[in-house]
Amino acid sequence: AQKVTQAQTEISVVEKEDVTLDCVYETRDTTYYLFWYKQPPSGELVFLIRRNSFDEQNEISGRYSWNFQKSTSSFNFTITASQVVDSAVYFCALSGHYTGTASKLTFGTGTRLQVTL
Amino acid sequence: EAQVTQNPRYLITVTGKKLTVTCSQNMNHEYMSWYRQDPGLGLRQIYYSMNVEVTDKGDVPEGYKVSRKEKRNFPLILESPSPNQTSLYFCASSLASGTIPYEQYFGPGTRLTVT
Repeated sequence: AQKVTQAQTEISVVEKEDVTLDCVYETRDTTYYLFWYKQPPSGELVFLIRRNSFDEQNEISGRYSWNFQKSTSSFNFTITASQVVDSAVYFCALSGHYTGTASKLTFGTGTRLQVTL
Repeated sequence: EAQVTQNPRYLITVTGKKLTVTCSQNMNHEYMSWYRQDPGLGLRQIYYSMNVEVTDKGDVPEGYKVSRKEKRNFPLILESPSPNQTSLYFCASSLASGTIPYEQYFGPGTRLTVT
């Protein structure tokens, strides 16, 4: 069974602060994929990143960075110099290979990030 | 424009009255899926489809039906809606090249209220 835990329900920061959103996962698969999605107040879901279990390199995209650590089953997301537009709910998700019953995508419960001036 | 569309966007109905929420994508994606989003529970997968005529249950399939007769469409059917199916529903689609899950593209959501 797959499970994704986002223990931080809500985080509030002041603009320009750095913030890290935690994601811990459980899976029995040796090959799996991790995702982050953003849901701004308007409600749509926006894809941010996909990472497979064989690629443990950290990734940086502008102010966003992701730290994947298989040893701790974590895939944390850091926003550097946060901005008000970063205010959203962020979801971490996990999928195995697409092979029939392993085609599910399991989401965490989300972390609501509030960035204020 | 590449997109996933859902209709209706908002629906208020009564217990027991059958309803269908339509989902359509124009990206020729093989994989389509339905999720429901509830406060404190995140998104939970209801059903998914790997291709035409291939569907399977997600984590919360009870009370729902789906069909995939055409690649672009994946309707969600509630045969006898109940108040506990009041939720925000999302349809999504993605490529499914071999066994690799790609990023999913989500529709705008359908807010359903069952009284």
